[in-house]
Amino acid sequence: EPEVTQTPSHQVTQMGQEVILRCVPISNHLYFYWYRQILGQKVEFLVSFYNNEISEKSEIFDDQFSVERPDGSNFTLKIRSTKLEDSAMYFCASRKAGLAGVRYEQYFGPGTRLTVT
Amino acid sequence: AQKVTQAQTEISVVEKEDVTLDCVYETRDTTYYLFWYKQPPSGELVFLIRRNSFDEQNEISGRYSWNFQKSTSSFNFTITASQVVDSAVYFCALSEADLDDYKLSFGAGTTVTVRA
Repeated sequence: EPEVTQTPSHQVTQMGQEVILRCVPISNHLYFYWYRQILGQKVEFLVSFYNNEISEKSEIFDDQFSVERPDGSNFTLKIRSTKLEDSAMYFCASRKAGLAGVRYEQYFGPGTRLTVT
Repeated sequence: AQKVTQAQTEISVVEKEDVTLDCVYETRDTTYYLFWYKQPPSGELVFLIRRNSFDEQNEISGRYSWNFQKSTSSFNFTITASQVVDSAVYFCALSEADLDDYKLSFGAGTTVTVRA
């Protein structure tokens, strides 16, 4: 069964460093997302991406964040200068296009645990 | 304001007991989708069920069932005859129709512990 994959599973970085989190969405999916979950808290939406551009972003997704789909398979989240408060689990998700307004479920990757020291 | 409220933070049951998880949502849209996701101790998010706002028919899928009531804005989820493997955090989520990209708004989650 197809699944969303994410690498690395755990990333440790120093404050101020740049990190790139990588995701390979399910191949026939067209909508891509990043969410984050600070330890013990709820899952929060960061950004959605469709047709090679951001369709929506949350207040969390400031200028330090960017997303890219550099090729036909990868979807990346870059944090330019990490802060301590960026420490969280980052989930990538994808979904297929809906017909006649059907909202298909999002499938999540296993997550990347980012630790900023 | 919270769009999805899961008032129960933790539930602990003995194996084979039924577990009902409450979810109350808030939206001005007439078209929306509701979801339940499970997060086991390993950390991944696993899709369980989806329901749209036009379909209030309640269903059973294996040991899972759900009770969707628009009148009370509730979307409760029941695990029948719980098993130890059901121990996880369960999240209710809402997708509103005014957003074509369909971001999910999650509740805070309910931690379910099933004891043998």
